[in-house]
Amino acid sequence: QKEVEQNSGPLSVPEGAIASLNCTYSDRGSQSFFWYRQYSGKSPELIMFIYSNGDKEDGRFTAQLNKASQYVSLLIRDSQPSDSATYLCAVFSGNTPLVFGKGTRLSVIA
Amino acid sequence: DAGVIQSPRHEVTEMGQEVTLRCKPISGHDYLFWYRQTMMRGLELLIYFNNNVPIDDSGMPEDRFSAKMPNASFSTLKIQPSEPRDSAVYFCASSYSRDTQYFGPGTRLTVL
Repeated sequence: QKEVEQNSGPLSVPEGAIASLNCTYSDRGSQSFFWYRQYSGKSPELIMFIYSNGDKEDGRFTAQLNKASQYVSLLIRDSQPSDSATYLCAVFSGNTPLVFGKGTRLSVIA
Repeated sequence: DAGVIQSPRHEVTEMGQEVTLRCKPISGHDYLFWYRQTMMRGLELLIYFNNNVPIDDSGMPEDRFSAKMPNASFSTLKIQPSEPRDSAVYFCASSYSRDTQYFGPGTRLTVL
């Protein structure tokens, strides 16, 4: 059973701080990794993906991947109240579609 | 492109009734996925299609659920008969591969 684990939160950070969201996965053969943002009552929205070890930056977002530790994270710099949402980590292993974690709820306090 | 389109957006029905959810994927996407999301279980994959052919339906909870994709631009998820425990948000997603998926707005189903 392929698993993706996330802390459910809520993770509360003050406005302007860095929010760090973490995800671990069980399948060592996993190939690609995705972060989706889901606002309350809305559908998941793809915000970042990463395939290789290291960091990938896109604006205020940085995805970090460590395949040896089976760990992927999302950093949000200069957090804004509009970043308050649930963040879903998803992992692709090649043989099956994406496996999603249950998400971490982020609350950015103004 | 308008993105993935789902209808209806909200559905309220009584136990025992048939429910049909509809999805139009993004044009050119070969993969279509049906998910169910609840607070308790998170996002669950029910079934997915590749080029209109069902590939994996192991997530379909029971025989009351069925899905079809008669052509590249349309899919349905049917529940017959519906039960209160089927109440959830049902998402359709499409993709040009199995990994980078784009979600529709979802259908919020309430079975009384």
